[in-house]
Amino acid sequence: AQSVAQPEDQVNVAEGNPLTVKCTYSVSGNPYLFWYVQYPNRGLQFLLKYITGDNLVKGSYGFEAEFNKSQTSFHLKKPSALVSDSALYFCAVRALDTGRRALTFGSGTRLQVQP
Amino acid sequence: DSGVTQTPKHLITATGQRVTLRCSPRSGDLSVYWYQQSLDQGLQFLIQYYNGEERAKGNILERFSAQQFPDLHSELNLSSLELGDSALYFCASSVGDSNTGELFFGEGSRLTVL
Repeated sequence: AQSVAQPEDQVNVAEGNPLTVKCTYSVSGNPYLFWYVQYPNRGLQFLLKYITGDNLVKGSYGFEAEFNKSQTSFHLKKPSALVSDSALYFCAVRALDTGRRALTFGSGTRLQVQP
Repeated sequence: DSGVTQTPKHLITATGQRVTLRCSPRSGDLSVYWYQQSLDQGLQFLIQYYNGEERAKGNILERFSAQQFPDLHSELNLSSLELGDSALYFCASSVGDSNTGELFFGEGSRLTVL
């Protein structure tokens, strides 16, 4: 089985401060890891992914994520938050080595950036 | 705009009824995925089709069924509806079926069962 945990329902940060949204995963074998963002009344949008290679992945809108195999984590980060970053963020995982092809999503973390 | 089109955007119906949700994937994408998003269950994978064939099945109830047609659009059929089926249903598409690439999501169909 594959699973994702996002331990924080909500993260509050002031504009201009760095932000971190946490994600840990569980899969058999090597993982494919993804971050998606959902704005109100919209579908999910892809931010970034880790497949293989460099543990630090850069994505859209200045976001980046760090893959840590020993801690089975894939935290989303941004050096300086914007009010427009306020949205619902989902981490997702898929096991590379199994026949199950669908992504499993975490429960989501709501990011609130205060002006 | 992701290029994935879902209809209808909103649907209100009664318990026991049947509805059909429609999805047109991005041009060139062969895979279609259906997800259910509810407040208590989060985002749940229902089913995936690739080029007309079922590829993976998730937490899809027996009252629900789906298919992908030769023109690659997909339909999700929900029958004997219950109050708990009220949710946002998302369709997503991707080029291949290996799911190493990103998924492109539609804006969803919001189903309300009264």
